[in-house]
Amino acid sequence: AQSVTQLDSQVPVFEEAPVELRCNYSSSVSVYLFWYVQYPNQGLQLLLKYLSGSTLVESINGFEAEFNKSQTSFHLRKPSVHISDTAEYFCAVIRGGANNLFFGTGTRLTVIP
Amino acid sequence: DTGVSQNPRHKITKRGQNVTFRCDPISEHNRLYWYRQTLGQGPEFLTYFQNEAQLEKSRLLSDRFSAERPKGSFSTLEIQRTEQGDSAMYLCASSPLGTRSSEQYFGPGTRLTVT
Repeated sequence: AQSVTQLDSQVPVFEEAPVELRCNYSSSVSVYLFWYVQYPNQGLQLLLKYLSGSTLVESINGFEAEFNKSQTSFHLRKPSVHISDTAEYFCAVIRGGANNLFFGTGTRLTVIP
Repeated sequence: DTGVSQNPRHKITKRGQNVTFRCDPISEHNRLYWYRQTLGQGPEFLTYFQNEAQLEKSRLLSDRFSAERPKGSFSTLEIQRTEQGDSAMYLCASSPLGTRSSEQYFGPGTRLTVT
């Protein structure tokens, strides 16, 4: 069975500082990995995904995540955060060929002016 | 692409009442999913449709829950005899067939409060 661990429930960071949100997964088979973002009072939005190919994936708003198979990690990073990045971030995994996403418990990122 | 829509956005009901939620997926998406999200947790899978066929159900989907997708387009999720433990955000997602089938796009959710 798959499981996802997000080690930090809350991450406060000052504006323009770098941030890393950690995600580890457990699975005995190959998986696809995702980061979703949930802004206040909004639904989940797909931020970025790893399906295959390059282990470093990027989003359009400056976030990136690196798939590390040996460490079973998919940490999310941004070199300089903005106030607008304040949101809840969820890491999710799906086994190849399966239909349901397994989500972590989320990390609340708060950007401090 | 108008995105996944869900109605209503909020529902308050008394314990023991029945409620029904609707989900309209992205029009070209064949796959539709229901998830439940409680406070402080990530979404948990409930059920999955491919076109009109319900192909997978989670153990979380008790006998009081039923989901349908009669024409392979919109879907409904009904909860009978609601309990306070049913209070949660109910999320719908859809995805296309083919190589992008694992990319699920979520609606805004229906927040259910059972009093």
